[in-house]
This record gives sequence, structure tokens and C-alpha cells, in this order.
Amino acid sequence: GQNIDQPTEMTATEGAIVQINCTYQTSGFNGLFWYQQHAGEAPTFLSYNVLDGLEEKGRFSSFLSRSKGYSYLLLKELQMKDSASYLCAPNTGGFKTIFGAGTRLFVKA
Amino acid sequence: ETGVTQTPRHLVMGMTNKKSLKCEQHLGHNAMYWYKQSAKKPLELMFVYSLEERVENNSVPSRFSPECPNSSHLFLHLHTLQPEDSALYLCASSQGGGDTQGITYEQYFGPGTRLTVT
Repeated sequence: GQNIDQPTEMTATEGAIVQINCTYQTSGFNGLFWYQQHAGEAPTFLSYNVLDGLEEKGRFSSFLSRSKGYSYLLLKELQMKDSASYLCAPNTGGFKTIFGAGTRLFVKA
Repeated sequence: ETGVTQTPRHLVMGMTNKKSLKCEQHLGHNAMYWYKQSAKKPLELMFVYSLEERVENNSVPSRFSPECPNSSHLFLHLHTLQPEDSALYLCASSQGGGDTQGITYEQYFGPGTRLTVT
């Protein structure tokens, strides 16, 4: 079966660093996406990891450990506009990407 | 603006109505997707088309009927829906799917159609 676990909600302060964890168990695995979804809007692509290790992209970094079925998204220098849901989404092969329920991040001043 | 448009943005329909959702992508992609997003639930993949051929069909009730006349357009035809079908319906497109080399393409989502079934 398919299972994706990520915290439901997190709160952090403007300017701080936050790490959003995701563990997954899937039948088949090609790589893992992170998407950002602001309330009432469509998800937008943030990152994709296929190999183990850390991928850095500006203020956002994403880490993958395939053997542990584990990923995290690291957001640095948090801004108010980073308040959104963050979706962990493993691709299980072909066109099938499975989405987690998302972590709602609240950034406070 | 992601290059994927959806119409209508909001739709209220009765259980006996027939309506269609439309999606158009201007990105030159060859794969298109329909997802359902209900409150507090993960995105659920409904259908995938690649080069106008249906490649995924995730046990979706027959009251939802997709159509992909060309690689830029995707429709979701709705009939005799139930109140539990009320949700946000998202369309997405991508350059392709995943392959054995680990190459997978990100999806670009449209703004969605907020559907309410009364």
C-alpha cells in the first residue's frame, strides 16, 4: 500500500528556520516532490529529489534518504508569505505521484 | 499564472444535472491530470492522459467521465453526482511521466474548479 506521513501543522517565527519532515512507504519509487499550496490556490512545484542527499535552492532545501523512506523540506529566513501548506509527494513510477495530506505552516511575526 | 487554465472556477449543480469542467494548458506538455481535493484530505489522482491516451484511471466512479481531445485540452464530464463529490477539482499538466532512469517531471496545476453538489 501507499502511506505518507507528515505533521499536520507547524508554527515558526519570521526569520527563523523550519524543517518539515515526511516519511513514506510506497510500492515503487522514482523520486520525491515537494509542493507549496497557499490557501485557496493551486499547488506549485518547489523541489524534486531522486538521489540521496540535500538539494539547495535559495531559501529552500530538500533532503532525501531512499533507504529510510524519509525526506525533509528546510525553509530558511522565514517570511510571512511562506505561510502555506507543504505537500510531500513521492512518485511511484510513470505518471503516478502520491500526495501527502500536507503540513500547514504558520509564520508569525 | 502557471500556464494551465480551468473553467468554470466555481460550479454549483444539482444531483440530476450534467456539467463539464474544462482545462487548457499552454505549456506544450503532453501529459494532463485530473485530481480531486476534498477538505482536509490529500490530493487524489483521478485520471491521467499522455498524448491523448488514458494511462491512469484510479477507480473513479463512472459518474465522472474524462475526455482528452488533444494534448492541450482536458475535460471532466459530470452527471448524477452525489453531495460527497463536492470538492476542488484540479487539473495539472507535465512534460511527461517518470521513467526507469529516475527522470520525473513536475506538474503545473491550474487554479481549480470549486464544485458544490446540492
